[in-house]
Amino acid sequence: AQSVSQHNHHVILSEAASLELGCNYSYGGTVNLFWYVQYPGQHLQLLLKYFSGDPLVKGIKGFEAEFIKSKFSFNLRKPSVQWSDTAEYFCAVIPYNNNDMRFGAGTRLTVKP
Amino acid sequence: GAGVSQSPSNKVTEKGKDVELRCDPISGHTALYWYRQRLGQGLEFLIYFQGNSAPDKSGLPSDRFSAERTGESVSTLTIQRTQQEDSAVYLCASSLDRLNGYTFGSGTRLTVV
Repeated sequence: AQSVSQHNHHVILSEAASLELGCNYSYGGTVNLFWYVQYPGQHLQLLLKYFSGDPLVKGIKGFEAEFIKSKFSFNLRKPSVQWSDTAEYFCAVIPYNNNDMRFGAGTRLTVKP
Repeated sequence: GAGVSQSPSNKVTEKGKDVELRCDPISGHTALYWYRQRLGQGLEFLIYFQGNSAPDKSGLPSDRFSAERTGESVSTLTIQRTQQEDSAVYLCASSLDRLNGYTFGSGTRLTVV
């Protein structure tokens, strides 16, 4: 079945460490790609999105993601995490010719102070 | 309003009872989505409304689930004869178009006892 895969269920880092969260999808054709973040007790917020053009997308709070079409990947990165980045991160895809956004299972990030 | 509003924020109901969840989208957003998020899992698409078009109900898990939307405004998600496996956070999102991502509400946490 077509899907969005986030292979890391829980990631634990110390402050200032670099972050990379993996996201792979299995939909063919043109896709729109998103990363959402859910801070504890808060609703989902859009971090960044990709539609076309430069495959390196910069979002809020120092996050960026790189679309690699050949690998069907859209990994999220941040050079130096902070304690306040502790949250759940969701990768999402809108497949071509589809109405709804498909989400990965999420990756929980814990940043130790 | 400024964001997507959902009510109630929490609902505890007895098994077998019907529940109704409400979503007020951002004014002007023509698309509205319902998702379900079970504990420790990703978001599961339920239903999608776009303007006055027929809704995409392909994600509804059973005929106990139904949803309505009046024009481009409020939507209600109804779960009849609730079961314990219905316990989850039900999220509503709206968008202006598929290219801008979704704005999520804070969700309704449903607990069936």
